[in-house]
Amino acid sequence: SQKIEQNSEALNIQEGKTATLTCNYTNYSPAYLQWYRQDPGRGPVFLLLIRENEKEKRKERLKVTFDTTLKQSLFHITASQPADSATYLCAWYNYGQNFVFGPGTRLSVLP
Amino acid sequence: GAGVSQSPSNKVTEKGKDVELRCDPISGHTALYWYRQSLGQGLEFLIYFQGNSAPDKSGLPSDRFSAERTGGSVSTLTIQRTQQEDSAVYLCASSSDWDQKVTDTQYFGPGTRLTVL
Repeated sequence: SQKIEQNSEALNIQEGKTATLTCNYTNYSPAYLQWYRQDPGRGPVFLLLIRENEKEKRKERLKVTFDTTLKQSLFHITASQPADSATYLCAWYNYGQNFVFGPGTRLSVLP
Repeated sequence: GAGVSQSPSNKVTEKGKDVELRCDPISGHTALYWYRQSLGQGLEFLIYFQGNSAPDKSGLPSDRFSAERTGGSVSTLTIQRTQQEDSAVYLCASSSDWDQKVTDTQYFGPGTRLTVL
C-alpha cells in the first residue's frame, strides 16, 4: 500500500531562518501532493498543492518542490516566525485513490 | 462564512457502548470525508461521500464502523461496541466539487476526540 514518510517528527529552528520539511513517498507517484498546517486541537488547514508535472510552487514565504526521481517533496518556510510553529502534514493523492497523509512534522520556531 | 463543524468536540465512553459522531459540512459542498487521527499518526482515511452515496468505504477499519449522509449535507459516523483502540480524534472534511476532486481543497472541521475507557 502507499506509504508517506516525513523525515522528522520534530524540527526546531531559530526565528528568521528557513525551515525545510521533507515528505517522501513509496510506490506510486501522486497526481499531486498537498501540504497542510495543523495547530493543536484543530483540523488541518490547506497551504499548497504541487502537481506531478510541476517542479516548484510558491506562496508568500512558502515554497514547495517536487522531485519524482527522488520521490520527494520539500516544503520551505523562509524568514520563519514563532507563529509558524505547528505540525505540517503532506498528503499524497492519485486518480481513483484516496488521500494518504504523512504522520506530520512538528515545527518549533524559537524566538 | 461558517466552516465545517463537528459535534461533540469530546466524547468519553465505556468500552462496548455505541457512539455517534456528527459532521456539518460547508453549505454547498458535495464531497465529505471522514478521517481518524491517532496520537503521533497521520490521518487515516475512513470513508468518503459524494452527495449521499459512499463510493469508497474501503477505509472503514471494521464492520463496527458505519457512516451515512442525508440530504447531501450532515453526516454521521457510528461506531458500535466501541473498543479502546477506537480512541482517536475523528476529523471530517468537505470539498466543493466532486468533478474537481483531484485538485480541490479539503476544509477540515475541528474534530471529535473520542476516548474509550
